[in-house]
Amino acid sequence: EVELVESGGGLVQPGGSLRLSCAASGFSFSSYAMSWVRQAPGKGLEWVATLSGSDSRTYYADSVKGRFSISRDNSKNTLYLQMDTLRAEDTAVYHCAKAMTTVIFSLFDYWGQGTLVAVSS
Amino acid sequence: EIVMTQSPATLSLSPGERATLSCRASQSVNSYLAWYQQKPGQAPSLLIFDASNRATGIPARFSGSGSGTDFTLTISSLEPEDFAVYYCQHRRNWPLTFGGGTKVEIK
Repeated sequence: EVELVESGGGLVQPGGSLRLSCAASGFSFSSYAMSWVRQAPGKGLEWVATLSGSDSRTYYADSVKGRFSISRDNSKNTLYLQMDTLRAEDTAVYHCAKAMTTVIFSLFDYWGQGTLVAVSS
Repeated sequence: EIVMTQSPATLSLSPGERATLSCRASQSVNSYLAWYQQKPGQAPSLLIFDASNRATGIPARFSGSGSGTDFTLTISSLEPEDFAVYYCQHRRNWPLTFGGGTKVEIK
């Protein structure tokens, strides 16, 4: 059974940093692209970043480009999101999501429950 | 960036009724359109991909149609567990974008 469990969220001051993790199990992690999608409180879904399975291609939303960095450790079946220079508008629940197939990066068939990031002074 | 617009924002219906949700793209996304369902306190789940293909395990009462810029998600007969928020998402190019969602609530 596929399972995605996020961790690392919390309260951080504007301008601060945080690193999120997503522990994956139940599938061949290195074969699939992985993504982060966020949801501000009471709002809709916003795609943040995607990382391919093995050749390290990355894609970022303009709103986080240059501030956030997505990475993975395939030996640990773990996805990361390094978030720097955080802003109040980054406050959201951050979900990690698995690509539906090994060749289509941009459809998400499994999602984690998410971890809450709150940026406030 | 392709802007996805969903309508209506809220749909008030009774169990057993038919639900019709719309999603419009600001430019053609071909058939690269997905629908997700999100229940309160839960992660989203994939319902439909590439406009009309049901994801694994999705009941036949859910169907998708459309191409280009106009898409529809139809729930033929609402079950109690179908009351939720529904989002569309394109995968035509980067950046990926979602619609603002349609909440299907019990009338």
